[in-house]
Amino acid sequence: AQTVTQSQPEMSVQEAETVTLSCTYDTSESNYYLFWYKQPPSRQMILVIRQEAYKQQNATENRFSVNFQKAAKSFSLKISDSQLGDTAMYFCAGSYNNNDMRFGAGTRLTVKP
Amino acid sequence: EAQVTQNPRYLITVTGKKLTVTCSQNMNHEYMSWYRQDPGLGLRQIYYSMNVEVTDKGDVPEGYKVSRKEKRNFPLILESPSPNQTSLYFCASSLVAGVYNEQFFGPGTRLTVL
Repeated sequence: AQTVTQSQPEMSVQEAETVTLSCTYDTSESNYYLFWYKQPPSRQMILVIRQEAYKQQNATENRFSVNFQKAAKSFSLKISDSQLGDTAMYFCAGSYNNNDMRFGAGTRLTVKP
Repeated sequence: EAQVTQNPRYLITVTGKKLTVTCSQNMNHEYMSWYRQDPGLGLRQIYYSMNVEVTDKGDVPEGYKVSRKEKRNFPLILESPSPNQTSLYFCASSLVAGVYNEQFFGPGTRLTVL
């Protein structure tokens, strides 16, 4: 069975600092995508970044980057130069086939001024 | 504007009173899905639809029904709601089914069953 685990229920970071959110996953499939979604207080689910499993290069999107360790089945999100608007719940997710998308329990990130 | 819409956004009801949460997308997406979000559990898939008239169960389908008569609409039906269905519900869609395709989410529906 596919699983996604986020072991940090809550985290905080000072504005302008860097923070890393952890995610591990488990799958026996060879073809999959991994995602980080952001859910601000508005509850809207916003895609932050995605990583294709067959690509070794880590994905980056402006201040957001991932550390994808395929052998360790680890997919962490690094947020650089944290901003107050980054305060949100962050979900790690894996998409494993045509219909199976699994989410972690989420990490609530607070950026402090 | 390309979007997924859900109605209602908030709903308080009582046990046993049938309700429908509507979901509509204007992006001509083939794939649509329903999730529920509960604290400490993340999002769990309830039902999904690969295309019109094709639906299948996700991880937590008990107590829910869906239909896909038109490409743009994918309503979620609770025939006899119970308090354990109190949750935040999201509809999502993607261009086609497949591991490569980003899912676009609706704004969510907060359901409370008393």
